[in-house]
Amino acid sequence: NAGVTQTPKFRILKIGQSMTLQCTQDMNHNYMYWYRQDPGMGLKLIYYSVGAGITDKGEVPNGYNVSRSTTEDFPLRLELAAPSQTSVYFCASSRRTGSGNTIYFGEGSWLTVV
Amino acid sequence: AQKVTQAQTEISVVEKEDVTLDCVYETRDTTYYLFWYKQPPSGELVFLIRRNSFDEQNEISGRYSWNFQKSTSSFNFTITASQVVDSAVYFCALSERPEYGNKLVFGAGTILRVKS
Repeated sequence: NAGVTQTPKFRILKIGQSMTLQCTQDMNHNYMYWYRQDPGMGLKLIYYSVGAGITDKGEVPNGYNVSRSTTEDFPLRLELAAPSQTSVYFCASSRRTGSGNTIYFGEGSWLTVV
Repeated sequence: AQKVTQAQTEISVVEKEDVTLDCVYETRDTTYYLFWYKQPPSGELVFLIRRNSFDEQNEISGRYSWNFQKSTSSFNFTITASQVVDSAVYFCALSERPEYGNKLVFGAGTILRVKS
């Protein structure tokens, strides 16, 4: 049972560099999400997708981009990394309706921008 | 706008004590879902419970129990006979109707420290 898989788990970036956090799920879920968790805080939604080809901004989208070309994959792109993007990033997925709308999270990606 | 408040930043208890984690939420929706997640020191998020707004029955799962009261917009979590392994950050979260995207709004979390 792979569930939601994110890579890399740890990464150090220099200011101004770019990178992509990969996320894939094998549960055939329609909905996928990216959250960030800053120290001592709850998670905040960056972007989400309700299906392939459809993405929308969450609460804190600035400095990020996403795409959803397949049901399984939902990569998060950081352009011109800034120290404020130092955080733990969680990818998640869920079904659209019914009793199965529990949101499942990946194990997190620790990103440090120096 | 939806909001979740976990007023307790940190709680310390001694093993075998009972502990209740408070969660108060705000929403204008009549249909919504409430969740509790556990984040152990290893960092992953572990799903504990989901409750929809039409089901106010309390739930018990082993040492865990949840008290949902719409009248006070609260969804409190109690651990009975706490153990050291319960030490973690606990998040309460709220989501809207599934057709709107299931987006979660999280509280800031409560750090629970259980001492032996």
